[in-house]
Amino acid sequence: SAVISQKPSRDICQRGTSLTIQCQVDSQVTMMFWYRQQPGQSLTLIATANQGSEATYESGFVIDKFPISRPNLTFSTLTVSNMSPEDSSIYLCSVQRIAGGPKETQYFGPGTRLLVL
Amino acid sequence: GESVGLHLPTLSVQEGDNSIINCAYSNSASDYFIWYKQESGKGPQFIIDIRSNMDKRQGQRVTVLLNKTVKHLSLQIAATQPGDSAVYFCAEMAGGSNYKLTFGKGTLLTVNP
Repeated sequence: SAVISQKPSRDICQRGTSLTIQCQVDSQVTMMFWYRQQPGQSLTLIATANQGSEATYESGFVIDKFPISRPNLTFSTLTVSNMSPEDSSIYLCSVQRIAGGPKETQYFGPGTRLLVL
Repeated sequence: GESVGLHLPTLSVQEGDNSIINCAYSNSASDYFIWYKQESGKGPQFIIDIRSNMDKRQGQRVTVLLNKTVKHLSLQIAATQPGDSAVYFCAEMAGGSNYKLTFGKGTLLTVNP
């Protein structure tokens, strides 16, 4: 598997502000994804981060609220915009198609724990 | 959309016992399945996977069983240890879904010493 890091690991933010979360992988990967995990819940896919093009968002998630960048094969960012307390969650990035590994297997970063006051 | 669900939200076992965590899925097009372990404060950790052309796969102390007839998946943990205490998620992927994973609700496994 790859080593996946996320920054920040946690943050407390005021409503109306925005936070950008970074995801860095130590090797090139084909696919990167962003998930949200609300307190005590399962994981929900926000979007697929596409390298060099706009992200593909799932139903219920929009680019204006969750802009995503992926400038290369090892890095992606997710911004949570105009935050409200309902955005308090764990945000996780995952990667897929690591060289030499099964093409479908996804590996997750440690997550960013966000609390919005 | 279709979802993956779990029969038991919590499971408590004694150290040394075997654990079985169950998962029902509803998307008949799913052809790849993964079990993840998530410890408190951490991201999900890959445990084991299985493709739909198999009905059993074994790893170190873990076995995944797949019954496509009834759309059921299980994770067996042998000789459960306190370090196995965590939330376990099953996830499914359907062919042609652009590699999107759909997660089940999760089962909290507590191992009593």
